[in-house]
Amino acid sequence: ILNVEQSPQSLHVQEGDSTNFTCSFPSSNFYALHWYRWETAKSPEALFVMTLNGDEKKKGRISATLNTKEGYSYLYIKGSQPEDSATYLCAFTGGGNKLTFGTGTQLKVEL
Amino acid sequence: EPEVTQTPSHQVTQMGQEVILRCVPISNHLYFYWYRQILGQKVEFLVSFYNNEISEKSEIFDDQFSVERPDGSNFTLKIRSTKLEDSAMYFCASIPARAPPGELFFGEGSRLTVL
Repeated sequence: ILNVEQSPQSLHVQEGDSTNFTCSFPSSNFYALHWYRWETAKSPEALFVMTLNGDEKKKGRISATLNTKEGYSYLYIKGSQPEDSATYLCAFTGGGNKLTFGTGTQLKVEL
Repeated sequence: EPEVTQTPSHQVTQMGQEVILRCVPISNHLYFYWYRQILGQKVEFLVSFYNNEISEKSEIFDDQFSVERPDGSNFTLKIRSTKLEDSAMYFCASIPARAPPGELFFGEGSRLTVL
């Protein structure tokens, strides 16, 4: 059974704060690590798909890093805004045709 | 922008009843998935579907579940005899190419409540 863990489970920050959360995954048989953003009442939306050890990806104020050797990825949000409030999911694939998701980190950004 | 659509958005059913959840994937996508999330738990893989057959399924996807693509556009998940523990949000997703998957395009989900 693949274990994909995310921490923290939830996070409350003030507008303007920078924040980061962690996804840990099996370091063997790695193919790709996905990050999704899931707002309430909407569909999960892909942020990043990362495949290479040391990969860093950026989309606006959100960035992610990947360490496949030790099995973790960090997601960073710089200068959090209320619209960043969502659940952030990571998902691991070992090269098959399914993704195994973590439990998610629920972010709430307050004014 | 093309999107994955799911119906119904919410269905309430009695235990033991059959339920069909419908999905219309993005038109040029080839690989389809069903995932579910029981409230407070992880998003769980149910099944993947390619070339009109199941590609992979999880241990959750037992004989009471089935999928089909009856008309080349709809992708359905049928639960034959619902149980209380089937109450969850069911997500359909699709990707344009075969495994291993790039980003999944998800629908907004169908919430199933079994009473």
